[in-house]
Amino acid sequence: GAVVSQHPSRVICKSGTSVKIECRSLDFQATTMFWYRQFPKQSLMLMATSNEGSKATYEQGVEKDKFLINHASLTLSTLTVTSAHPEDSSFYICSVTSGRPGEQYFGPGTRLTVT
Amino acid sequence: AQSVTQPDIHITVSEGASLELRCNYSYGATPYLFWYVQSPGQGLQLLLKYFSGDTLVQGIKGFEAEFKRSQSSFNLRKPSVHWSDAAEYFCAVGASTSYDKVIFGPGTSLSVIP
Repeated sequence: GAVVSQHPSRVICKSGTSVKIECRSLDFQATTMFWYRQFPKQSLMLMATSNEGSKATYEQGVEKDKFLINHASLTLSTLTVTSAHPEDSSFYICSVTSGRPGEQYFGPGTRLTVT
Repeated sequence: AQSVTQPDIHITVSEGASLELRCNYSYGATPYLFWYVQSPGQGLQLLLKYFSGDTLVQGIKGFEAEFKRSQSSFNLRKPSVHWSDAAEYFCAVGASTSYDKVIFGPGTSLSVIP
């Protein structure tokens, strides 16, 4: 399967600042990537679908102006959490789709802590 | 829209005992079904998947799952659990269209007693 990396693995930022998380598909050209958020002891919630060369598609209830997604190349998608607040502290996971229905490869996740 | 439930929030089994984790889905057409495992602080690993064909699916680490359309279920089983199987297990359902959106269930936390 595809190898997916995320950077950073862990980040701590102050309330009100912005933080960028990178998701890279290391051996696979990904036209579509997904961003998930996972709160402690909870399931993964799909935030948005990142499409290479076009705007991301956000799930209902996810603020697109707060969670900026850029998919500038076939191997890189970034998620920027703007004006972060403590309630944004979470585990953010990206995935890459192989193109076969439902088949996704997940990154290791990024732990964001907002103080 | 598809959805998935996992009735058991937490399960504890003894090492060597058999295991069954329940999963029920809701989707109007034939779903694509998945089981993932997540160890603490880690990403997700795919255990197995069902797209079509044989309703009994074999996965990695000795896991298997059976798709039962009449019950809208996709339960995960393992005949003999190892201590290293302790983790969070997620059932997921995908739409059988070209759009690869996958929805995850709430997860079942598995503890293994030595």
